[in-house]
Amino acid sequence: DQQVKQNSPSLSVQEGRISILNCDYTNSMFDYFLWYKKYPAEGPTFLISISSIKDKNEDGRFTVFLNKSAKHLSLHIVPSQPGDSAVYFCAASMYSGGGADGLTFGKGTHLIIQP
Amino acid sequence: GAGVSQSPRYKVAKRGQDVALRCDPISGHVSLFWYQQALGQGPEFLTYFQNEAQLDKSGLPSDRFFAERPEGSVSTLKIQRTQQEDSAVYLCASSPKGPLSGELFFGEGSRLTVL
Repeated sequence: DQQVKQNSPSLSVQEGRISILNCDYTNSMFDYFLWYKKYPAEGPTFLISISSIKDKNEDGRFTVFLNKSAKHLSLHIVPSQPGDSAVYFCAASMYSGGGADGLTFGKGTHLIIQP
Repeated sequence: GAGVSQSPRYKVAKRGQDVALRCDPISGHVSLFWYQQALGQGPEFLTYFQNEAQLDKSGLPSDRFFAERPEGSVSTLKIQRTQQEDSAVYLCASSPKGPLSGELFFGEGSRLTVL
């Protein structure tokens, strides 16, 4: 059973518009969430994170929103640029859980920015 | 380079062969993780080291998988008697902090194809 779900395998957005990538999770013990970006033939690179004590974190064009009651988070990219075309992975961890089980990843969403 | 380095980048093995995948983490990084990423899936946790100690190996799929980090730096993931279902990209990640720091630095991965 997948604990982190990204239900959209792909998303196409016009350059300059807002890209919204969604992620749902089932494990209420998760309290730290991250987004990673991956280009072909490269490893994932960290993009932005959010702790469960917050509901929003912003870094330049990237904003992550967390709705704990809905167990839902989203990544907003505005304005979208051609270089944003990549696979985006949502990941979660039990930051304060004391375990060492790394991150649980979703399957990823392939974002395509169209000129 | 300054990033996480993995070798080989590509490995083709015949079913039943043993393989060894190497990871050079970023110098000074305490934590090292191995992940397995099957086609169309997100990375899945395999094992975690803090320095030379393997603190969590709960994600290793079978006893054919073995990982070590004897001097707390370079790590090797060994797969014995490879099977077709072992075909995947094996990602190594390191972090300067402990296991719950969240942000991981990934290598480019080693793509294993078992024929």
